[in-house]
Amino acid sequence: QKEVEQDPGPLSVPEGAIVSLNCTYSNSAFQYFMWYRQYSRKGPELLMYTYSSGNKEDGRFTAQVDKSSKYISLFIRDSQPSDSATYLCAMSAHPTGTASKLTFGTGTRLQVTL
Amino acid sequence: DSGVTQTPKHLITATGQRVTLRCSPRSGDLSVYWYQQSLDQGLQFLIQYYNGEERAKGNILERFSAQQFPDLHSELNLSSLELGDSALYFCASSGTPPGEQYFGPGTRLTVT
Repeated sequence: QKEVEQDPGPLSVPEGAIVSLNCTYSNSAFQYFMWYRQYSRKGPELLMYTYSSGNKEDGRFTAQVDKSSKYISLFIRDSQPSDSATYLCAMSAHPTGTASKLTFGTGTRLQVTL
Repeated sequence: DSGVTQTPKHLITATGQRVTLRCSPRSGDLSVYWYQQSLDQGLQFLIQYYNGEERAKGNILERFSAQQFPDLHSELNLSSLELGDSALYFCASSGTPPGEQYFGPGTRLTVT
């Protein structure tokens, strides 16, 4: 079983819809949670960074972490065609800058249609 | 633009050969990370350097090695290349306060 599970999709939604992306994990040592967006053949772009449980909002994006359920979510409001990409969740047990690594989900491919 | 640069963008080489991938971190970032992304394995952590010293190691093959130089740029060396080494190789960097890792555009390696 993988440490981080993520539905690969593809997920197709109409423009303006609310998108919900999710990951589950098994390692209870994970404390730092990130969401990256990756366009085809490009490097991952950091969208959200959260520590421990709780919510964080940034514009149209909201990240939620439920450590008791080992479940994290990313919500995208008013989705746009430009949001079409692969979304990767990532987790770490340590703060970056010391000995650390990110463990990634396999990514969910999102398609926002006109 | 994340501020992390990687060269070359594309590399095509033959089995058994050796290549070097180069990464320059964001200005001021002391940590450099290397990741491999393949279709079947997703993004896999290879190795981390912090201010010239190795800090963390993932499932990096013995045929692969890396180093970080005094000017903080890093190189990933891949030797005795096999077809299965074909992948996207990403470099990321992070600074202080600790937290986010920022990724470069990647190097696409094709082994024929």
